[in-house]
Amino acid sequence: DAKTTQPNSMESNEEEPVHLPCNHSTISGTDYIHWYRQLPSQGPEYVIHGLTSNVNNRMASLAIAEDRKSSTLILHRATLRDAAVYYCILRKRGGSNYKLTFGKGTLLTVNP
Amino acid sequence: EAQVTQNPRYLITVTGKKLTVTCSQNMNHEYMSWYRQDPGLGLRQIYYSMNVEVTDKGDVPEGYKVSRKEKRNFPLILESPSPNQTSLYFCASRTDRASNQPQHFGDGTRLSIL
Repeated sequence: DAKTTQPNSMESNEEEPVHLPCNHSTISGTDYIHWYRQLPSQGPEYVIHGLTSNVNNRMASLAIAEDRKSSTLILHRATLRDAAVYYCILRKRGGSNYKLTFGKGTLLTVNP
Repeated sequence: EAQVTQNPRYLITVTGKKLTVTCSQNMNHEYMSWYRQDPGLGLRQIYYSMNVEVTDKGDVPEGYKVSRKEKRNFPLILESPSPNQTSLYFCASRTDRASNQPQHFGDGTRLSIL
């Protein structure tokens, strides 16, 4: 799987938007961009995924650059519960093993 | 409520004493997988299963066994645990019936092998 690069940590204030960047310059045409997060003492939790177009769901938005070499996860109004490690993961479509390759992710701190 | 349930959540045991970590999902998912999480190494896949009676090795299978006799259960077996298997373990599942479906993870099992 292609490699992703994320900042080690970011900080935000409660109720403000948060933009979490991810670089994936070696992404291939069949790679989907997935975001998961891991809250303290919990398992990873799916956030959102996309291929080429921007995506929105109840948790977040995913903005994908036109050349697909980078993407940004957007939390529109951060809450204390959003404090977690956020992982940007590339996964090829299909395949016989749905393995997710987790990097170090970005530790998001949310200040009250 | 859709969930992946792991038991036990915490276990301290000694080298060589066989143990089993259970994983059960109530979503009728075909695919299940085990990961271990270690500081600085992220999550690494141990074993996975595409369906009942179909299992295969992940990236770090040494010292582990699995079985998939029923769709809902995917136990992780450590026949002779050693201290280097001290880790945080996660079970995950997803459906195989549509592409790019999310994976659902359990809350983890923290194993300490003394």
